[in-house]
Amino acid sequence: AQKITQTQPGMFVQEKEAVTLDCTYDTSDQSYGLFWYKQPSSGEMIFLIYQGSYDEQNATEGRYSLNFQKARKSANLVISASQLGDSAMYFCAMRGEGAQKLVFGQGTRLTINP
Amino acid sequence: GAVVSQHPSWVICKSGTSVKIECRSLDFQATTMFWYRQFPKQSLMLMATSNEGSKATYEQGVEKDKFLINHASLTLSTLTVTSAHPEDSSFYICSASGNTREQFFGPGTRLTVL
Repeated sequence: AQKITQTQPGMFVQEKEAVTLDCTYDTSDQSYGLFWYKQPSSGEMIFLIYQGSYDEQNATEGRYSLNFQKARKSANLVISASQLGDSAMYFCAMRGEGAQKLVFGQGTRLTINP
Repeated sequence: GAVVSQHPSWVICKSGTSVKIECRSLDFQATTMFWYRQFPKQSLMLMATSNEGSKATYEQGVEKDKFLINHASLTLSTLTVTSAHPEDSSFYICSASGNTREQFFGPGTRLTVL
């Protein structure tokens, strides 16, 4: 079984600063995928970034990067140069080997202050 | 990316009535669709996984007779909340995946049962 833990219920950051959202996971699978989603107040789930367990490089997508530390089983999301529009809920998720379904963490509410 | 729609985006109904929510993949064939439920300030909870032409697989604790899922075609899945009660009020989100296993999320449906 997979488990995702996000220990930060809420984060407050000044605009233009970088922010790191923590995510740790637990699995016995050798192959798995890690995802980050953004959920603004409208409710839609916006895919941000994906990291495969065998990917040697940390994933990056524009201002988003994933700090993948396999030995520590962590997959932290780093947002550089934060913007007011980054204020939202952020969910870390995992898909196990051969699995279809995603397992989500509890989420972190990020608030960007002007 | 692929587009998934949900209809309606919000619905208010009286206690005891049934409500049907549609999830459509607009530009790809969704062999698998997922239904999630999200209470305020909480994470997404997977309710069931449905494969086209097969019976849905429900997660533990989800009443299959109350939450009827139909996935009759490769572009449409429906969730019917039967005999809805106020405790069924929630945000329902579907996602769909084709042959790549990547999940594309719908915009969600907010259900309020009076």
